[in-house]
Amino acid sequence: EAQVTQNPRYLITVTGKKLTVTCSQNMNHEYMSWYRQDPGLGLRQIYYSMNVEVTDKGDVPEGYKVSRKEKRNFPLILESPSPNQTSLYFCASSLSFASGGNEQFFGPGTRLTVL
Amino acid sequence: ILNVEQSPQSLHVQEGDSTNFTCSFPSSNFYALHWYRWETAKSPEALFVMTLNGDEKKKGRISATLNTKEGYSYLYIKGSQPEDSATYLCALTYFNKFYFGSGTKLNVKP
Repeated sequence: EAQVTQNPRYLITVTGKKLTVTCSQNMNHEYMSWYRQDPGLGLRQIYYSMNVEVTDKGDVPEGYKVSRKEKRNFPLILESPSPNQTSLYFCASSLSFASGGNEQFFGPGTRLTVL
Repeated sequence: ILNVEQSPQSLHVQEGDSTNFTCSFPSSNFYALHWYRWETAKSPEALFVMTLNGDEKKKGRISATLNTKEGYSYLYIKGSQPEDSATYLCALTYFNKFYFGSGTKLNVKP
């Protein structure tokens, strides 16, 4: 089954404790992206990757890191989480960016709470 | 940053009503416009991708139009059903990025 998976689905952690949220897709997609969703703000892009080893900042990259060592995986790293990073996170992928004309496929989401 | 606005924020309709909502954006400064449907406790799912002025797309009872000159897209739902209850998101793409609106939450009462 073609899908995007994320782990963990739920996470409660404390300020400053490094964490990684994994994202994997099995559709051989080139473009991958991370979003956070906060009430009233819609989805905001954190980082994106055009292909392996090519990553760039979205609109809200502060406090996050990513890597793209393999085509299928795009982990999101919070080196020192803070309470303002409490949010719902989505990973998404599409075949390629291709002038933005390819639909995105979203993972199930990760609900993160930072105390 | 592209400013994408959606209206209304929420909408309550009765089963069988037809409804529509709007996505507004700076005209022409984008590559493509996407509509996604997001049901509670699920992930957003793509409905349509449109790129050209005058584009119209249809999937069952749901259709969308795009006007790039005046900077808006409409999403129409004909004969709303309770299973149409969801948040509908629009997004623009520009320079490798996606810019989402905050969504219109639709509630269809039986």
